[in-house]
Amino acid sequence: GAGVSQSPSNKVTEKGKDVELRCDPISGHTALYWYRQSLGQGLEFLIYFQGNSAPDKSGLPSDRFSAERTGGSVSTLTIQRTQQEDSAVYLCASSFRGSQGRTEAFFGQGTRLTVV
Amino acid sequence: AQSVAQPEDQVNVAEGNPLTVKCTYSVSGNPYLFWYVQYPNRGLQFLLKYITGDNLVKGSYGFEAEFNKSQTSFHLKKPSALVSDSALYFCAVRDLLTGGGNKLTFGTGTQLKVEL
Repeated sequence: GAGVSQSPSNKVTEKGKDVELRCDPISGHTALYWYRQSLGQGLEFLIYFQGNSAPDKSGLPSDRFSAERTGGSVSTLTIQRTQQEDSAVYLCASSFRGSQGRTEAFFGQGTRLTVV
Repeated sequence: AQSVAQPEDQVNVAEGNPLTVKCTYSVSGNPYLFWYVQYPNRGLQFLLKYITGDNLVKGSYGFEAEFNKSQTSFHLKKPSALVSDSALYFCAVRDLLTGGGNKLTFGTGTQLKVEL
């Protein structure tokens, strides 16, 4: 597709359940980011993938959060044993590394997660 | 570590007046700087970027930003604001000299409200 695609667009889950959020980046983009945006708040960095390098997981808030990127393309963010404080919009972005990281990141529309 | 500060949570301006949204940054090496806009219930859209060259960069929708190395600032500006410019604006920085590689770090966002 032409842009970053995220699914589902909305997810309501019960506290304690596991959820998987999917991100399909722009074809050819080597970098992929996950961010979290709570209501009316800024962007909280979660994890960053760049090509075949080890991901930067420094933003993951707890060991309930994990992410993988298969084949350098699609990424899945998994949240285990969801808590109400996990409710937020989860944004995925991708960028082409290009010449020394000069390119901007393109964002998907996000997945709105509500934990009830 | 790289960081971005947006000192104003909200900026109010009358339509037709010039607007400025402030951003300052901190990096170890040379910064790559970006501005994004987020309309209600939408993903982030890229506005403009500074990589090298002229300190004044022009972007989408009539926005521009001025890079000031001595003040470590990258303020977003527009000569004449429109009501349709009302949105949440994010500044972001990338510093290739840190261990974070291509990681994009965002500010907390500034809500711009343009009134008639």
